[in-house]
Amino acid sequence: GAVVSQHPSWVICKSGTSVKIECRSLDFQATTMFWYRQFPKQSLMLMATSNEGSKATYEQGVEKDKFLINHASLTLSTLTVTSAHPEDSSFYICSARDTKGLSTEAFFGQGTRLTVV
Amino acid sequence: AQSVTQLGSHVSVSEGALVLLRCNYSSSVPPYLFWYVQYPNQGLQLLLKYTSAATLVKGINGFEAEFKKSETSFHLTKPSAHMSDAAEYFCAVSKAGQGAQKLVFGQGTRLTINP
Repeated sequence: GAVVSQHPSWVICKSGTSVKIECRSLDFQATTMFWYRQFPKQSLMLMATSNEGSKATYEQGVEKDKFLINHASLTLSTLTVTSAHPEDSSFYICSARDTKGLSTEAFFGQGTRLTVV
Repeated sequence: AQSVTQLGSHVSVSEGALVLLRCNYSSSVPPYLFWYVQYPNQGLQLLLKYTSAATLVKGINGFEAEFKKSETSFHLTKPSAHMSDAAEYFCAVSKAGQGAQKLVFGQGTRLTINP
């Protein structure tokens, strides 16, 4: 299957700093990528839909100025957590779909565990 | 709107026993349905998917699921559990058809295998 690489796999940062998480589709092109957040022992909650070359679409309740998404190419989307606070500590996961053909499967990155201290 | 309900946040079975993880969905349009597995501190791996073809879907690692429209269910089964099956399992739904549909996930079911 297709591979989605997420980097870093874990990061610890100080309160008030910003952290960038990268999501790359390694062997396919993805005009759309999705960013999820997962709290411990909970399900995945969609944060935003990242569209190549245009603005991201955020889910209700997600602060777009805090979670900046950039999808500058067909293989890379980035999520920047700005002015991070301890409550932003979570597991962040991206997914991407191969937008060629009739693919119905979304491939997931390995996730990034963010800890804000 | 679409939604998914997974009955049982935690299921425990003995090694070699039948695994049954329940998933019911709600959708006003024909759905695509998915089962994913997540190991600790990792992303999600697709086990199987229903995309309006055969209602009985076979996936990886011996898992299968049956789409039952009358019951709005998509339960996941495996005849004989293995220790390596211990993980978190998520059922998800999206709208049928092409395009970049969003996945809506259930709450997840943690599967524990007893030796």
